[in-house]
Amino acid sequence: AQSVTQPDIHITVSEGASLELRCNYSYGATPYLFWYVQSPGQGLQLLLKYFSGDTLVQGIKGFEAEFKRSQSSFNLRKPSVHWSDAAEYFCAVSSGGNLIFGKGTKLSVKP
Amino acid sequence: EAQVTQNPRYLITVTGKKLTVTCSQNMNHEYMSWYRQDPGLGLRQIYYSMNVEVTDKGDVPEGYKVSRKEKRNFPLILESPSPNQTSLYFCASSSWRSGAGELFFGEGSRLTVL
Repeated sequence: AQSVTQPDIHITVSEGASLELRCNYSYGATPYLFWYVQSPGQGLQLLLKYFSGDTLVQGIKGFEAEFKRSQSSFNLRKPSVHWSDAAEYFCAVSSGGNLIFGKGTKLSVKP
Repeated sequence: EAQVTQNPRYLITVTGKKLTVTCSQNMNHEYMSWYRQDPGLGLRQIYYSMNVEVTDKGDVPEGYKVSRKEKRNFPLILESPSPNQTSLYFCASSSWRSGAGELFFGEGSRLTVL
C-alpha cells in the first residue's frame, strides 16, 4: 500500500539557518509528489509538486525539493528560514483518487 | 477570487444530533474531497467525488455521508455524531487537468461533539 513517512515530528531552526524536511514514500509506480504548508488556523497551501522531469523542483516562498527515486525520498529545503515559515509541513503522494499525506512536521523558528 | 468555502467554521454539538458541514468551490473543479485532521494522525480522507453523482469512500468513511448533486457543492453529513468525530475537517477541490493532487483547501471546520 502507498504510504508517506515524515520522520521528524517537530524541528526547530534559527532564523536565517538552512532547513531540510525529510519525506519518504512508498509507491509502486512513478509518483506524483507534493509538499503542502499549513499555517496556524489555516487550510493547507501547495508549496510545490513533482510529476516528472527535472528532479529538483522550485516552489513558492523560496522552497525547493529534490526527488530521489533510489532513496524513495522527496525532501524539502530552504536555504534561509524566515520567522514566517513557522508552520506545519505535509508531504503527500497522489494515488488514484486519493492524496495520501504524511503525518506532518511542525517547524518552529527561533529568533 | 478562487476559493473553497466551508461552513460552519466552528461548531459545538451533542451526540446524536444530525449536522451538515457545507462545502462550495467556485473554480469549476471536478474533484472534491473531505479530510479530517487529528493530532498525531495527519490528514485522513473521508470521502471524495470525481464528478457530479460520483462519490467514493476514503480511508475513514464510517459515520459520515456525502452527496454531490451539483458540481460546486459537496456537503459532509454526520447523521448521528459521536465524540470520536470531534476533529478539524477540511474540504478540498481539484481540477484533474491541473494534475492529480494539486488540491485547493478550505479554511477548515472545527467540530466538537459532546
